[in-house]
Amino acid sequence: DGGITQSPKYLFRKEGQNVTLSCEQNLNHDAMYWYRQDPGQGLRLIYYSQIVNDFQKGDIAEGYSVSREKKESFPLTVTSAQKNPTAFYLCASTIRGRNTEAFFGQGTRLTVV
Amino acid sequence: SQQGEEDPQALSIQEGENATMNCSYKTSINNLQWYRQNSGRGLVHLILIRSNEREKHSGRLRVTLDTSKKSSSLLITASRAADTASYFCATDGPGYALNFGKGTSLLVTP
Repeated sequence: DGGITQSPKYLFRKEGQNVTLSCEQNLNHDAMYWYRQDPGQGLRLIYYSQIVNDFQKGDIAEGYSVSREKKESFPLTVTSAQKNPTAFYLCASTIRGRNTEAFFGQGTRLTVV
Repeated sequence: SQQGEEDPQALSIQEGENATMNCSYKTSINNLQWYRQNSGRGLVHLILIRSNEREKHSGRLRVTLDTSKKSSSLLITASRAADTASYFCATDGPGYALNFGKGTSLLVTP
């Protein structure tokens, strides 16, 4: 079955640690995205990538980094510079172009302990 | 930049009733989409309406778009308990990304 897989589902991070969230898709989509969701704030765009080896900052990129070395993979690293990383992180993908629906993974819930 | 804003923030109805939620946005759009999110899960696409369309149906869903008022509405007819979820509207963002609103939380009680 085609889809997007995020792992792990739950992640705990100690203060000062970097952690990497995995996102893999087998939909052959060119574009991939990372969103952060906090209670009552909807989804906010962290980074997006329209093609392999290229990515752009979204609205809240500070404290995060990404890579796009393969079409099917778009990992997100939450660095120690992110002061409030506890949130629900969602990865999505689309084919290139407007008027297309986004497919989402099931999310990773990150908690700082 | 969260362009869309849903109203109401929360809605509670009984099974069989209709649920209407609204979305307002600020700038011109190519299309507007509605998504559903069950608690603790990813978003699922429901329907896309293009800027040159005024109304679209999909099963029990009816979406309208008024570009002159920069607003859209999502109507769920004959609601079921399984419709309990959060509903988000989404508009064009940077690249091919989407800008999401804060969502409407719908509770359908048996």
